[in-house]
Amino acid sequence: DTAVSQTPKYLVTQMGNDKSIKCEQNLGHDTMYWYKQDSKKFLKIMFSYNNKELIINETVPNRFSPKSPDKAHLNLHINSLELGDSAVYFCASSRRTATYEQYFGPGTRLTVT
Amino acid sequence: AQTVTQSQPEMSVQEAETVTLSCTYDTSESDYYLFWYKQPPSRQMILVIRQEAYKQQNATENRFSVNFQKAAKSFSLKISDSQLGDAAMYFCAYRSLVNSNSGYALNFGKGTSLLVTP
Repeated sequence: DTAVSQTPKYLVTQMGNDKSIKCEQNLGHDTMYWYKQDSKKFLKIMFSYNNKELIINETVPNRFSPKSPDKAHLNLHINSLELGDSAVYFCASSRRTATYEQYFGPGTRLTVT
Repeated sequence: AQTVTQSQPEMSVQEAETVTLSCTYDTSESDYYLFWYKQPPSRQMILVIRQEAYKQQNATENRFSVNFQKAAKSFSLKISDSQLGDAAMYFCAYRSLVNSNSGYALNFGKGTSLLVTP
């Protein structure tokens, strides 16, 4: 019955590798987000998609590429991982007409060694 | 730039006591939303309370209430009858318009770590 799910929950990988994080929501929402929480716990928006269309892209290195195959899924692919990419990545979703009501996934802790 | 400021990195409260967490924000929007999120060690982001800027009445959810001062751009969270389970990081957030494509996102403060002592 999970509303917003992310896989994997933990990801440990070496510098230079490419990895993906998947997000799925079963709330019938049409807008999905990726937020990054850094080591100091600061949360910041990275991307947002509405009905598979990218609507927010916030100064993120182009090594990060979001992909939305349909409005229930939003994946995050990261190329050439760097130490500074270590963080917790949260997926969230909402209705486009109710962006004040965002539901968060459990987060994916990415550790780059 | 639209910002959210939480001036208290850490707070401590005894069980059953009341604590207030501070938050100020800056916005040029007239219609906006403010939030308090709780993040326990499990790291799940849990919505505690939401305030619509057009509503004058302060939002309340059980033991949690806000003091919304629109003119002062202040939005504090009061936790009454604190419980051990309230220990967590608390984030104040504001829904901001990120771009001209009607892209809205949550803009977070840096958080306040709340410790609850028996």
